Amino acid sequence: AQSVTQLDSHVSVSEGTPVLLRCNYSSSYSPSLFWYVQHPNKGLQLLLKYTSAATLVKGINGFEAEFKKSETSFHLTKPSAHMSDAAEYFCVVSDLDFGNEKLTFGTGTRLTIIP
Amino acid sequence: NAGVTQTPKFQVLKTGQSMTLQCAQDMNHEYMSWYRQDPGMGLRLIHYSVGAGITDQGEVPNGYNVSRSTTEDFPLRLLSAAPSQTSVYFCASSYRAGGPNTGELFFGEGSRLTVL
Repeated sequence: AQSVTQLDSHVSVSEGTPVLLRCNYSSSYSPSLFWYVQHPNKGLQLLLKYTSAATLVKGINGFEAEFKKSETSFHLTKPSAHMSDAAEYFCVVSDLDFGNEKLTFGTGTRLTIIP
Repeated sequence: NAGVTQTPKFQVLKTGQSMTLQCAQDMNHEYMSWYRQDPGMGLRLIHYSVGAGITDQGEVPNGYNVSRSTTEDFPLRLLSAAPSQTSVYFCASSYRAGGPNTGELFFGEGSRLTVL
């Protein structure tokens, strides 16, 4: 069975400093991995995805994530935080379950940006 | 381009009442799904559909019904509302389950339901 663990429920960083949101996963197969962002009172939006191509994945708004199979991790980073990055971030693992896609969401990390 | 549209955005029900949350997408997506979001629990799948006329249960289906008579619409029915169904509900769609866009979901803005 697949699972995903977001190691921090809340992260606070100062504007202009790096962002690190941590995600570990468990999967029986070669999974696809995703990060989604949810701004207040909005739906989730895909930030980036890994689907067994390059291990370093670049997404929108300057975010990137690195797939590390040996560490079963898929941490999300950004070199310099912006006020507009304040949101909740979800790590998601995807596997095929009898031909149907099964997505498992992490519990989310709330990112606060300090001016 | 509307994407995924959910109505209503807010609803208050009394225990035992029934209602339908509407979801429509204009992207010709085969796959549609309903999730509920509760604090500290991430998103949990309620029901999903891989095409018109085909539906299946997700992780937390009890108390909910769905149908998929057209590609565009995927309503979620609460048969007899309970306080435990107080949540934010999201409809999401994607091009095709298990296809090259696996996992790339497009979400509506959510429907916030309170059951008293």
